[in-house]
Amino acid sequence: QKEVEQDPGPLSVPEGAIVSLNCTYSNSAFQYFMWYRQYSRKGPELLMYTYSSGNKEDGRFTAQVDKSSKYISLFIRDSQPSDSATYLCAMSGETSGSRLTFGEGTQLTVNP
Amino acid sequence: DGGITQSPKYLFRKEGQNVTLSCEQNLNHDAMYWYRQDPGQGLRLIYYSQIVNDFQKGDIAEGYSVSREKKESFPLTVTSAQKNPTAFYLCASSPELGGGAFFGQGTRLTVV
Repeated sequence: QKEVEQDPGPLSVPEGAIVSLNCTYSNSAFQYFMWYRQYSRKGPELLMYTYSSGNKEDGRFTAQVDKSSKYISLFIRDSQPSDSATYLCAMSGETSGSRLTFGEGTQLTVNP
Repeated sequence: DGGITQSPKYLFRKEGQNVTLSCEQNLNHDAMYWYRQDPGQGLRLIYYSQIVNDFQKGDIAEGYSVSREKKESFPLTVTSAQKNPTAFYLCASSPELGGGAFFGQGTRLTVV
């Protein structure tokens, strides 16, 4: 079983929709949670970074962490065609040092 | 500009040859990483380094080698022992334990 599970999609939505992306994990030691956006043939770009449980909002993006359920989410409001990319979750904990464990990534397409 | 520079962007290698991928960062980050990305498999950790002159194997280190002689540089050598070297290679760095990692734009290696 993988430490981090993420539905690879693909996910296709119309422009303006609210998008929900999710990851589950099994390692209770994870405390730092990240979301990355990766355009085709480019390196991943850090979108959101949260520590422990709770919500964090940045513009149209909201990240949620529920440590009791070992579940994290990324919401994208008013989605745009430019949001079309692969979204990867990543996490780490003090016991794992500085290394990150990534989900497989979800491929999102926002249709105009 | 601050960031992570990977070179070259595209690299072709003949079977049986070693090749070295360059990664340089000017972010003053302590930790650096090498990941390999294949379609449908997400990011897999090859090697990582938390300080100069020290590095650890990741999940798929066989057939690869690294060095960390300077804080700014973390080159990756893909040796002839690596059985399936054709892939997209990503270098990343992070400032501290648990901090989000920042990625370069990747090197696409093709063995011909």
